[in-house]
Order: sequence, then structure tokens, then C-alpha cells
Amino acid sequence: ERVMTQSPATLSVSPGERATLSCRASQSVSSNLAWYQQKPGQAPRLLIYGASTRATGIPARFSGSGSGTEFTLTISSLQSEDVAVYYCQQYDNWPPWTFGQGTKVDIK
Amino acid sequence: EVHLVESGGGLVQPGGSLRLSCSASGFTFSRYTLHWVRQAPGKGLEYVSLISNNGGSTYYADSVKGRFTISRENSKNTLYLQMSSLRPEDTAVYYCVHTDYSSGFYWGRGTLVTVSS
Repeated sequence: ERVMTQSPATLSVSPGERATLSCRASQSVSSNLAWYQQKPGQAPRLLIYGASTRATGIPARFSGSGSGTEFTLTISSLQSEDVAVYYCQQYDNWPPWTFGQGTKVDIK
Repeated sequence: EVHLVESGGGLVQPGGSLRLSCSASGFTFSRYTLHWVRQAPGKGLEYVSLISNNGGSTYYADSVKGRFTISRENSKNTLYLQMSSLRPEDTAVYYCVHTDYSSGFYWGRGTLVTVSS
């Protein structure tokens, strides 16, 4: 089972600044990685799949990169509505899919 | 447009049972493996179970093996999760999830299961 580790646990960013979130896999997951945004009381919202493909309707300020074991989600210019918890998910070796523990992004 | 709606959650006593349903639309239901993922209050996401398109293959996380049973009714576009011998640690929002891996992952809004006396 692939273990996914996200860092940092919490990230405080000023409005308009860049936010960089990391996700590391215990073994290669190729490009089979997704990123989600979750706000309180809501289901996870898919942002990125295939490590770098934006899901339908996702703003261009969200981008994903990486392959193998190291991945990054970048929010180029943080908006107030981006305050949320972000999760990575691998789907290369399944079942099961495995998820990172989440990174909480808030406004500095 | 893919649409997934979970139902059947509620409050149940430890040791009790509950059946969750997930009604699906917007894709050819009988062609796809389907999944359940859960999230305990204030915690992360945990993969629970899957069932293949024809129901012939299933998978369970160790935490639910022997207590939960996944099934599907392709004629009704409905996925089920029968939960028995429920424990307080099963308290969570349960999501059904569909993917074809080429266009992304689709999640329902979830249904809350609370196991408490």
C-alpha cells in the first residue's frame, strides 16, 4: 500500500501570494495522482488528476506538477475562497486508493 | 453530467446495522467499478470498499472486513453498503465515488453515519 505524506500540515499565505503544497509517495505512483479541495461540511472537490490536468471548471490559478514520488499543488495567487483543506490521492496501485493526511491553507 | 446521491445514514447504536445506498446517473452504471470512501469527523479520507462492474469482485479495507458488504443493482443504477456490527469508530460521512480515470473522479455529497448509544 502506497503511503502518501503531505507537507506542511498548515500553510498561512497572504492574499495574492503563491501557495505551494507538497505530497510525497512512499513508492512511485507514476502520474496517477489527484488533488482535492475540501471546505467544512462539503464533499471533496476534484482540482487536479493525472498529476497536472485541471478538472472541469477549476480556475487556472490551480496547477499540479510532479511524477513518481514527488508532487506539488500550486495556487498562484491565493484568494479568500481558497481557504480549505487540500488532499492528495494516489490511484496507481489499488485497491486501495490512499490519501495524504491533508494540508490546511488559511489566510495570513 | 455525473450525479451521485447517497442516502441511508443516521444514528445507530453500537452493534447495530445500517444500509447505505448510492443512486447514480449521468454515466453507464453497469460498465464501471464503484467505490465507497469515508471521513470521520475532523479526520482525513479513508478508502472503504469497491465492487467491480458486474459485482464479481469486491475489496474491503481491513477496518471493515467481515462487517460490511458492498453490492450493486445495475438495473436500478444503485450501489449499496450494508454495514453491521457497527462500532463508534465507524462514525463518518460515507461517500460513493465513480471514476473512469480518464476524466476525473466524481463524488457524491455523502451521508452521515453516527454510531453512538
